[in-house]
Amino acid sequence: EVQLVQSGAEVKKPGESVKISCKTSGYSFTNYWITWIRQMPGKGLEWMGRIDPTDSYTDYNPSFQGHFTMSIDKSVSTAYLQRSSLKASDTAISYCARHLWENWSEDSWGQGTLLTVSS
Amino acid sequence: QPALTQPASVSGSPGQSITISCTGTSSDIGGYDYVSWYQQHPGKAPILIIYDVSNRPSGVSDRFSASKSDNTASLTISGLRTEDEADYYCSSYTNTRIFEVFGGGTKVTVL
Repeated sequence: EVQLVQSGAEVKKPGESVKISCKTSGYSFTNYWITWIRQMPGKGLEWMGRIDPTDSYTDYNPSFQGHFTMSIDKSVSTAYLQRSSLKASDTAISYCARHLWENWSEDSWGQGTLLTVSS
Repeated sequence: QPALTQPASVSGSPGQSITISCTGTSSDIGGYDYVSWYQQHPGKAPILIIYDVSNRPSGVSDRFSASKSDNTASLTISGLRTEDEADYYCSSYTNTRIFEVFGGGTKVTVL
């Protein structure tokens, strides 16, 4: 069974950093890209970017580039999303998802990680 | 501002059919057959229910069907059930630097 399990909710203060993990199982990790998607409170889905687990090649949504960093640890089949200098406007749920190249969709999703940034 | 335009809400009675539209441009929906639809219940992660414009993943009810015409994709839910109450998002490949765009989401209410 394909599974993507994300790290738990985080509460941070402005200016702090956070690193969210997405541990995968049930498939060959390097055969599928990982997509990161943001959902702000009460809002829709936004494509943040994607990373190739084979070589850590990344594509970022220009709106997010410079604000977040995606990374991979192949040894533990895990993807990461890191953000420094947090602001209150970073409060959102981040989802990781497995990307299917052949039909450009995300067929399996993590449960989401809620990041709350508040002083 | 979401790249793809969806109605904010659609409602119907149990057993009825409803259709959700998703309008884009020739850079996304109109140019490629890479349209997907996702269902999201409150507090849950989205689930893929349609890919490649009109294909259903294994396990998805055949009450969900979808199509595309020019720059607009559509999702139809037939035989509406209470468990269909959820938010629905369309997405598409785009030939811009963003690569993938989503609609703003449509809240489906079963009356």
